Amino acid sequence: GESVGLHLPTLSVQEGDNSIINCAYSNSASDYFIWYKQESGKGPQFIIDIRSNMDKRQGQRVTVLLNKTVKHLSLQIAATQPGDSAVYFCAAPPVSNDMRFGAGTRLTVKP
Amino acid sequence: GAGVSQSPSNKVTEKGKDVELRCDPISGHTALYWYRQRLGQGLEFLIYFQGNSAPDKSGLPSDRFSAERTGESVSTLTIQRTQQEDSAVYLCASSLGGHEQFFGPGTRLTVL
Repeated sequence: GESVGLHLPTLSVQEGDNSIINCAYSNSASDYFIWYKQESGKGPQFIIDIRSNMDKRQGQRVTVLLNKTVKHLSLQIAATQPGDSAVYFCAAPPVSNDMRFGAGTRLTVKP
Repeated sequence: GAGVSQSPSNKVTEKGKDVELRCDPISGHTALYWYRQRLGQGLEFLIYFQGNSAPDKSGLPSDRFSAERTGESVSTLTIQRTQQEDSAVYLCASSLGGHEQFFGPGTRLTVL
């Protein structure tokens, strides 16, 4: 069956450094891929998405890279700030709009 | 309201009791999702409502779980004869039918 998983459960970075969060997926039918951020005690919040026909998309301080050859997705956060500390999920919804989320990576930003 | 709201925010119940969780989606959002999130884990899809179409119930873990939605407004998730393994945060999300979902704060359910 389809699965979406993350390589690392935790990531700790120094404030100001760049962060890279990785995600592997198995559902080749996904038209797009999404990153969500979940702060403690809150629901997930949409960060950025990328369509399957793209390999890179940039937002404000964030960049998502998609490598369909190896079914790998990454989220890059530039100049990581304490407010970026959260759990980050990738999601790869199949055509039916049924979202599949990975287990998440907990990002901790050290001052 | 400005966002998705859920109630109660916390629910503690005894094993075997029934619970009802409520979700108020963003006004006008046609799609509504329920997810379960166990401690330290990802989001587990439960059920999906889209407009007047039959809901996608493929994620419901057992027949103790059911959900209803009134038109394109409020939804309730009911868990009958709760078990300790039902303890989790239950998240609701709504969308306009596209892929960006707006999540509520969740209901933390504890079954003793």
